[in-house]
Amino acid sequence: GQQLNQSPQSMFIQEGEDVSMNCTSSSIFNTWLWYKQDPGEGPVLLIALYKAGELTSNGRLTAQFGITRKDSFLNISASIPSDVGIYFCAGSPNTGNQFYFGTGTSLTVIP
Amino acid sequence: GAGVSQSPSNKVTEKGKDVELRCDPISGHTALYWYRQSLGQGLEFLIYFQGNSAPDKSGLPSDRFSAERTGGSVSTLTIQRTQQEDSAVYLCASSPGWGPNPYEQYFGPGTRLTVT
Repeated sequence: GQQLNQSPQSMFIQEGEDVSMNCTSSSIFNTWLWYKQDPGEGPVLLIALYKAGELTSNGRLTAQFGITRKDSFLNISASIPSDVGIYFCAGSPNTGNQFYFGTGTSLTVIP
Repeated sequence: GAGVSQSPSNKVTEKGKDVELRCDPISGHTALYWYRQSLGQGLEFLIYFQGNSAPDKSGLPSDRFSAERTGGSVSTLTIQRTQQEDSAVYLCASSPGWGPNPYEQYFGPGTRLTVT
């Protein structure tokens, strides 16, 4: 199935630094979701986006729905050790029945 | 309230055997999804149920895979004549299907399937 292009594939950062990652698609999407997955667990929803240009925050996390509707961005400010994990984007081109997931960004925070 | 639950958490089976994986969605959620996640990979969509509508089976990789959802709640994913390439974590998610945030999917912990 289709997968989104998510970058970077991995990041190693110092605690306190800001993080940016993004997803791009060849198709227009109507919904973007961002998830975090810890080892051995299911993904946990972080932020949902429904409108082009929408900017939504959840604590230190901010995500944006690109105005072209073909991309989305996730920023984490002032990273802490518990931010470690794999971050996935997911997008749907239709009314929500099929979501395509990015390949994930593995984040390592060095104390 | 309770989240999405899946059982078993781990399943080891011999090649050629059939397996059934179960998902209990969040109460009241009308939409239910099954995904497959291979080691170090993203999630691969398998099937989607919404209310009483016909399921979207477009992601099922072969006719050995099937799923049903009884009474609009519990779902079972069945893999017949398992192959080694079926080894993966199978994740179930549910979403409200209506209201202001209809498509926000909440995931279960997954079932790790190993085919020997």
